[in-house]
Parts: sequence; structure tokens; C-alpha cells
Amino acid sequence: SQQGEEDPQALSIQEGENATMNCSYKTSINNLQWYRQNSGRGLVHLILIRSNEREKHSGRLRVTLDTSKKSSSLLITASRAADTASYFCAPRDGGSQGNLIFGKGTKLSVKP
Amino acid sequence: GAGVSQSPSNKVTEKGKDVELRCDPISGHTALYWYRQSLGQGLEFLIYFQGNSAPDKSGLPSDRFSAERTGGSVSTLTIQRTQQEDSAVYLCASSQGLSGANVLTFGAGSRLTVL
Repeated sequence: SQQGEEDPQALSIQEGENATMNCSYKTSINNLQWYRQNSGRGLVHLILIRSNEREKHSGRLRVTLDTSKKSSSLLITASRAADTASYFCAPRDGGSQGNLIFGKGTKLSVKP
Repeated sequence: GAGVSQSPSNKVTEKGKDVELRCDPISGHTALYWYRQSLGQGLEFLIYFQGNSAPDKSGLPSDRFSAERTGGSVSTLTIQRTQQEDSAVYLCASSQGLSGANVLTFGAGSRLTVL
């Protein structure tokens, strides 16, 4: 199992702006997952992108994956105050089994 | 159940006491994970159960920590002789495990405060 590293550690934007968070990992993956955490409680799964996919959308979320650079990005468009949360990426190694390791996350603050 | 259930939601204990934290995963999920999150920090992996396989205990910080999963369902995380540095939110998650994308569903966590 490997850990993703999110960047930046913290991001502060105004409501309506777009937010971009990045994730880097070290070895080949089966898929990469993004999660959100509000107020220090349980994480909520946002979106999963498989290693053979380059881009995926879900509502205002857009995730890209560049396996040659071993990186992924999460874009939140037209951000809202309710998007304020910590965002984590988790690369899933081949075989889609095994543990899932989380990084320190990106803390996003959206100001009204 | 419909979601992952953890209990207690909050636990305050005195240094040196033992505590047990319980996790009820989603019915049918074969994989179960425990994580720890200290204030303002990321998630620290503790232990992972997958079906009847031997658990991955590589994240347990000391021998004061142990976990079991009975009947492939409910799991209990036990911390013996608690220390103040054990204060954290303990998160449990489950996933389908053997197939699919293995997306994790998390419980709301158990907040442990050691005085």
C-alpha cells in the first residue's frame, strides 16, 4: 500500500472561485480515490478514477489522472462555503485489494 | 446496517485505564479498517481486516493497542493503559473488500480523551 501526498496543505478562496488540489503518488495504481472530511469526523467518498481513465466528472467535481507523472488533481468549480472541508486522496495499488493509506490532506476554506 | 456505526461517540478516560471502541461495519462488507486522527492531523492507519485473512497490524503504534473482529463482522479496538497521547478520533471504515473498487464507507468516529 502507498500513501498519496496532497498539495497544497491549505487553500483559501472566495465563494464562486475554483479550487484545485493535487495528489502525487509513487508506484503504479489500480485506481485513485478522493474523499472529503467535514469537522474532523468520518470521511466521505467523492470520486474514484481508474488507472485507465484520464478524467472524470461528478457534478461540480472534476478529477484528472496522469499516470506518467503519477499525479491526480481535484477541481471544484464555482465553490461554495459548504465546500469548506479537508480533502484526501488515496491511491489503490494493483489488485484493488489491500489497505488504503491516506495523506495529510488539503484543508480548503471557502469564504462567503 | 445502512452505514458504519461506531460507539461510543465520545469517551473520556483517565490515564492508565483500558478502553474499548466498537465498530459495526456495513452488512456484507468483508474489509474493515481502523484509523486514528489526532487534532488537525491526517489519518494514521492502524489495522486492516480482510475476510478470514490474517489482519494487517503494521500500523498499530504499540503493544498497548489491539483489535479483533469476531465472526467477520463487528470489530473492537482495545487500548490498554491509555496515555494522553492516545487522545484522538478513532475512525472505522468498511468496504466490499474482494471485488469492485473497494470504496470505503466511514463511521462518524469515536473521540477519545485521556486525562
